[in-house]
Amino acid sequence: DTEVTQTPKHLVMGMTNKKSLKCEQHMGHRAMYWYKQKAKKPPELMFVYSYEKLSINESVPSRFSPECPNSSLLNLHLHALQPEDSALYLCASSQGRGSGDFQETQYFGPGTRLLVL
Amino acid sequence: SQQGEEDPQALSIQEGENATMNCSYKTSINNLQWYRQNSGRGLVHLILIRSNEREKHSGRLRVTLDTSKKSSSLLITASRAADTASYFCATDRTGFQKLVFGTGTRLLVSP
Repeated sequence: DTEVTQTPKHLVMGMTNKKSLKCEQHMGHRAMYWYKQKAKKPPELMFVYSYEKLSINESVPSRFSPECPNSSLLNLHLHALQPEDSALYLCASSQGRGSGDFQETQYFGPGTRLLVL
Repeated sequence: SQQGEEDPQALSIQEGENATMNCSYKTSINNLQWYRQNSGRGLVHLILIRSNEREKHSGRLRVTLDTSKKSSSLLITASRAADTASYFCATDRTGFQKLVFGTGTRLLVSP
């Protein structure tokens, strides 16, 4: 199984709402990532989890809160978002050899398209 | 910014023609990867080339890497309408645990 799944596919939320994005993989990967992608732009890294520990936070605002409950699951909790946070949110995973010496192939989910009103 | 630059930004060709897109980057790397993204979907890994390799093939794809010029190219031969997508190069940075994606090339292949 080489699939990364993400739910929901689409999400519309108001600025006062709290919602969560979910990501799951069953490839035994130990590194998982959240990216944000605006239209016609490349993905921008938000967070990296390595062996269920947060290893990189790219200075993301605290209204985005990641969580890695176990090695297969990755959540992104959203609270008090702004309209400019509307984007495609992509989850990815990789084997995660843990050395940090080089980056491996990443496997991406289909993304959650988020609209903040 | 570490972000790589890709050119052209957009490329429109006919089926059967070859498509070449280029990527330039700024820092020393361990490897360079190419990904494809169909409209509004997730990215799909195409090929990885290590810093000590100069050329790599995979099916209709040919990737070259010139570390002295900090540049790479992706050639898609005998293109098909299904190749229509955005293509991104992605580089790691020695000692850093992350990929940085280039600006992307939007390829349109017309039947």
